[in-house]
Amino acid sequence: DTEVTQTPKHLVMGMTNKKSLKCEQHMGHRAMYWYKQKAKKPPELMFVYSYEKLSINESVPSRFSPECPNSSLLNLHLHALQPEDSALYLCASSQDKGRSRDEQYFGPGTRLTVT
Amino acid sequence: DAKTTQPNSMESNEEEPVHLPCNHSTISGTDYIHWYRQLPSQGPEYVIHGLTSNVNNRMASLAIAEDRKSSTLILHRATLRDAAVYYCILRAPTVGGSNYKLTFGKGTLLTVNP
Repeated sequence: DTEVTQTPKHLVMGMTNKKSLKCEQHMGHRAMYWYKQKAKKPPELMFVYSYEKLSINESVPSRFSPECPNSSLLNLHLHALQPEDSALYLCASSQDKGRSRDEQYFGPGTRLTVT
Repeated sequence: DAKTTQPNSMESNEEEPVHLPCNHSTISGTDYIHWYRQLPSQGPEYVIHGLTSNVNNRMASLAIAEDRKSSTLILHRATLRDAAVYYCILRAPTVGGSNYKLTFGKGTLLTVNP
């Protein structure tokens, strides 16, 4: 199974709502990632978890709160978002064996619209 | 991070070979060259990677210049399913750890004509 799943596929939320995005993989990968992709732009890294610990935070605003409850799950908690946060949110995972050639496996993304 | 330069778009005909170029003149000695592609409405997909030697896999071939300042992704027989944005990325390890990040450039939008 080389699949990364993300739920929900689509999410519409108001600026005062709290919601969560979920990502799951069962490949035994120990690194998991959140990316943000605006329309017609390349993906931009937000967070990296390695062995369930936050390894990289690319200066993401605190209204985005990542969580890695176990090695298979990655959540992104959303609160008080702005309309400009509307984007495709992509999750990815990789083996993380310390080699710079480990490929990342991406999920299909969650299309988020903030109204 | 070292940067890559790719053409914004390229066009190909079905069942013909496609050569997608990438320039990376500031590549460091430890950077691997990775290629990912993103089909419409999907997440990116790993295609191939290499360090110094040319590489082949079931999806594509990667030709790396001797000075490593450029590389070319080769699709031997393009199909309609190969229409996607192709990203050339240099894999640089993060500071202080074994993790790394992928820094996507703008990529090349490949159109395949039937």
